[in-house]
Amino acid sequence: SQTIHQWPATLVQPVGSPLSLECTVEGTSNPNLYWYRQAAGRGLQLLFYSVGIGQISSEVPQNLSASRPQDRQFILSSKKLLLSDSGFYLCAWNPRGPGELFFGEGSRLTVL
Amino acid sequence: QQQVKQSPQSLIVQKGGISIINCAYENTAFDYFPWYQQFPGKGPALLIAIRPDVSEKKEGRFTISFNKSAKQFSLHIMDSQPGDSATYFCAASLQGAQKLVFGQGTRLTINP
Repeated sequence: SQTIHQWPATLVQPVGSPLSLECTVEGTSNPNLYWYRQAAGRGLQLLFYSVGIGQISSEVPQNLSASRPQDRQFILSSKKLLLSDSGFYLCAWNPRGPGELFFGEGSRLTVL
Repeated sequence: QQQVKQSPQSLIVQKGGISIINCAYENTAFDYFPWYQQFPGKGPALLIAIRPDVSEKKEGRFTISFNKSAKQFSLHIMDSQPGDSATYFCAASLQGAQKLVFGQGTRLTINP
């Protein structure tokens, strides 16, 4: 079966520290992968999406970056976190088309 | 033109009542309109979706009404239950595009 995994689930990081969030998909090949951020009580902001290994499209300029080193792996990174980077980060993929996204359980980041 | 405007931001309905959430769009090239349901601390999940060639789609207590000429679509939840309390997002996608455009979300509370 097709599943999506995200980790870590929760993390608290100091301002200026690095970040690495990982997402993997099982049971499929060559999926489209997405990173979204959701600030507290807010909507879904698309950060990055990838249609293949090494192919990254950035939607919002910021101090975050994404990489896709393997077909089913998508990584969100930062070299130096800001307070404004706090939020709920969601990885997603679409097995049947752009309208049908399947989201992971999310990673809640608090930057202090 | 790529926006989807969702209202209301928050909604309180009594148990057994009808919950109605509305969305409007400008881009007539959108060809798929899904709704997502998100419980606190979880990723959104696809709830129901419609294509513009039909005016209504019903799945259990959930119905999408679609008005192509008005460029509006809405989610109706019949016999609303406390377990329906969640944040709901409408969205739209373009044929061939790799990403969804999300509405701002509606926080629905069903009072027992």
